[in-house]
Amino acid sequence: GENVEQHPSTLSVQEGDSAVIKCTYSDSASNYFPWYKQELGKGPQLIIDIRSNVGEKKDQRIAVTLNKTAKHFSLHITETQPEDSAVYFCAANLDYKLSFGAGTTVTVRA
Amino acid sequence: DGGITQSPKYLFRKEGQNVTLSCEQNLNHDAMYWYRQDPGQGLRLIYYSQIVNDFQKGDIAEGYSVSREKKESFPLTVTSAQKNPTAFYLCASSMGSGDEQFFGPGTRLTVL
Repeated sequence: GENVEQHPSTLSVQEGDSAVIKCTYSDSASNYFPWYKQELGKGPQLIIDIRSNVGEKKDQRIAVTLNKTAKHFSLHITETQPEDSAVYFCAANLDYKLSFGAGTTVTVRA
Repeated sequence: DGGITQSPKYLFRKEGQNVTLSCEQNLNHDAMYWYRQDPGQGLRLIYYSQIVNDFQKGDIAEGYSVSREKKESFPLTVTSAQKNPTAFYLCASSMGSGDEQFFGPGTRLTVL
């Protein structure tokens, strides 16, 4: 099966700075990589995703990059705001199933 | 108002009892999933269903059972055989396998 590793486990940034979360995956056949944001006591919400035929995707302050050769993908959040504080999960899709990283707790300091 | 609903939000059960968690979606999605989330960990797949009347085991299916008799519904039963059932349970659905998954609000199960 697929194995996804996510780093760092916690990230504290000053408001207005950038945050970067990195994930690696093990199976080169994985073809879809979503990122989810989860607030306390709630279900995860998709914030951005990327497919294996694309190297980069951007949506306002959020961007994702994918390096298929190295089997890693990253989430970039620019101009962080207090409402960006949450737990972020990366995932990789293989054989119709998503495998998730362990999560990154992001805290934006005012 | 389309979406996924899970009930109840909080559930308490005594050791040795079976309990069923509800998951309903009105998004007309074919695929549905159950995940378990433990503190400080990612989501682990329990069961998934790609179509009505069919489902497959995920990575941690032992002690759980599901049914998929209707497209809209995918209930999960936590049986007494599950050794550590206390966790946050999340249901999700997608148009098809490999598409974006939409999550419900979750059910927090506590075994007393």
